[in-house]
Amino acid sequence: DAKTTQPNSMESNEEEPVHLPCNHSTISGTDYIHWYRQLPSQGPEYVIHGLTSNVNNRMASLAIAEDRKSSTLILHRATLRDAAVYYCILVNDYKLSFGAGTTVTVRA
Amino acid sequence: ETGVTQTPRHLVMGMTNKKSLKCEQHLGHNAMYWYKQSAKKPLELMFVYNFKEQTENNSVPSRFSPECPNSSHLFLHLHTLQPEDSALYLCASSRRLAGNIDEQFFGPGTRLTVL
Repeated sequence: DAKTTQPNSMESNEEEPVHLPCNHSTISGTDYIHWYRQLPSQGPEYVIHGLTSNVNNRMASLAIAEDRKSSTLILHRATLRDAAVYYCILVNDYKLSFGAGTTVTVRA
Repeated sequence: ETGVTQTPRHLVMGMTNKKSLKCEQHLGHNAMYWYKQSAKKPLELMFVYNFKEQTENNSVPSRFSPECPNSSHLFLHLHTLQPEDSALYLCASSRRLAGNIDEQFFGPGTRLTVL
């Protein structure tokens, strides 16, 4: 499985944007980039996914580098409810290979 | 109820007990999954079912026995577990499996403690 690398943790202030990087230098042409997050005491929750183009939805934006070797999840205005572990995962079938993710802390 | 539900939410069992975890999805999905999340370790995929047929067993010990009677229900039967099996067991579902890049919907999990 292609691997991803994420920082262990990031801190943000409430109402400020959060940029979560993910490196995936061994990504293949058929791998989609998925992001999930896991809030405390809950199961993971899908956030967003993309292949080559940048993507936006109501939760976040996904910026994908032109060579697809890295991507950035953008939370435009962090709230306290965004405090979670964020996972960047490469998917080309049904298998989700979760890493350690990035623990995001939001300060009020 | 909507989404993916799991019962019980918490379970404490002895090593000689037999118990079952239940998962139900109300999303009309055809694929269902069991994951294990141990402390300080990433989520691990255990089993995958597609249209009630098991398509993957990720080298899981036989003391864990899954059952999928229909596309909406998934069980994990537990017997003679070990303390190291204590973990959060998560169920998930998705619309389809083949060539699937669809999002998976997770339940809240069952927190299992084996004494």
